[in-house]
Amino acid sequence: QSFLTQPPSVSGAPGQRVTISCTGNSSNIGAGYAVHWYQQPPGTAPKLLIYSNINRPSGVPDRFSGSRSGTSASLAISGLQAEDEADYYCQSYDSSLSALYVFGSGTKVTVL
Amino acid sequence: EVQLVQSGGTLVPPGGSLSVSCSGSGFTFSRTALHWVRQAPGKGLEYVSGSYTSGGSTFYADSVKGRFSISRDNSKNTVYLQMRSLRPEDTAVYYCVKDPFDTVTTYNWFDPWGQGTLVTVSS
Repeated sequence: QSFLTQPPSVSGAPGQRVTISCTGNSSNIGAGYAVHWYQQPPGTAPKLLIYSNINRPSGVPDRFSGSRSGTSASLAISGLQAEDEADYYCQSYDSSLSALYVFGSGTKVTVL
Repeated sequence: EVQLVQSGGTLVPPGGSLSVSCSGSGFTFSRTALHWVRQAPGKGLEYVSGSYTSGGSTFYADSVKGRFSISRDNSKNTVYLQMRSLRPEDTAVYYCVKDPFDTVTTYNWFDPWGQGTLVTVSS
């Protein structure tokens, strides 16, 4: 199974800034395809957090921001809060897959 | 409000078959692409299958191709995932998700997500 690679975990104290990387290849992020991010608090369904690299849906705090460069993308969370403790996944289109779409391996964010 | 409501979970023996459903409301169902994404216990997200009304295209992950089939009944605003020849590794929560577009682009995303259906394949 093809994945986009993410760090298994990141942590930070309340108020700090953390970043999560999402690394792909020339058939997905490196080809210029958009990256989207999802947040999944424990025991709940994922929720769209960032779409098309940098855009926040209505209701998502501006503490969350996205970027993309080359074969990678990043999600930054500034002013970390206890409620941000969750799993985070990136997702993109992949031209090498019959299924079209690929998810990242997931990152657990822990608020210390 | 856009909502996706899925059928309940169940236990199925290896080699068995099962259909899970997802009913949508708050949007024009007949002109909306819908997908299934699964998550094995303690694992990450895996794209399973998708259905686009534009052109009637369907897509499947290699891991389920030939065993799973996606279909929809637009008169009931419901999409189905028919699963057969189930294996223990198909054990997962299956999520129904909505696509903002009804055609394949290089920037499709998934929003919102249904509440999930736990499918357990075990004897």
